[in-house]
Amino acid sequence: SAVISQKPSRDICQRGTSLTIQCQVDSQVTMMFWYRQQPGQSLTLIATANQGSEATYESGFVIDKFPISRPNLTFSTLTVSNMSPEDSSIYLCSVDGVPGSYEQYFGPGTRLTVT
Amino acid sequence: GQNIDQPTEMTATEGAIVQINCTYQTSGFNGLFWYQQHAGEAPTFLSYNVLDGLEEKGRFSSFLSRSKGYSYLLLKELQMKDSASYLCAVRFLKSSGDKLTFGTGTRLAVRP
Repeated sequence: SAVISQKPSRDICQRGTSLTIQCQVDSQVTMMFWYRQQPGQSLTLIATANQGSEATYESGFVIDKFPISRPNLTFSTLTVSNMSPEDSSIYLCSVDGVPGSYEQYFGPGTRLTVT
Repeated sequence: GQNIDQPTEMTATEGAIVQINCTYQTSGFNGLFWYQQHAGEAPTFLSYNVLDGLEEKGRFSSFLSRSKGYSYLLLKELQMKDSASYLCAVRFLKSSGDKLTFGTGTRLAVRP
């Protein structure tokens, strides 16, 4: 299985600022995803991070608010821009397992609190 | 839409059996997953079903009926450590690639 690390693990940020979250995988993966889990809620897919091209965003999420980078097959970043308290959430990076396994693995998450 | 429905909360007794149900819209279905998530932790993979029937893995089993858009997760010989949220997730085929959509999760409390 893939081992995924995220930085930072948690942060408290002020309204109007931006935070960049890093996701590092211990092996090359084709698909990387970013999810949000708001307090007491389930996971919502923000976007698919595509290596070498622009990310694919889900309905309700836009690049200006959540710019994503994917410079190679083991690393991605998600930026939460111009934050408001409504952005307080856990942000999780996720990757597909080995081809044919169908599993999807999750990083430990970044707990963001916006004041 | 691709609604996925599961009960919000369940309570069961240590040593007992509990069944957590999940229903989903069938259009574009390409596999169903169950994840376990303890409070403050990332989801961990439990099971995957793409064909009808029962998949057993130790104390956990997962069932799928594609025609009915229905799955359940069966937990046997419940232990206190099984207290967690259980997330049903469906992989839907999309032109932009398969996407995993999660249900709201079922919070299971196991009592002594």
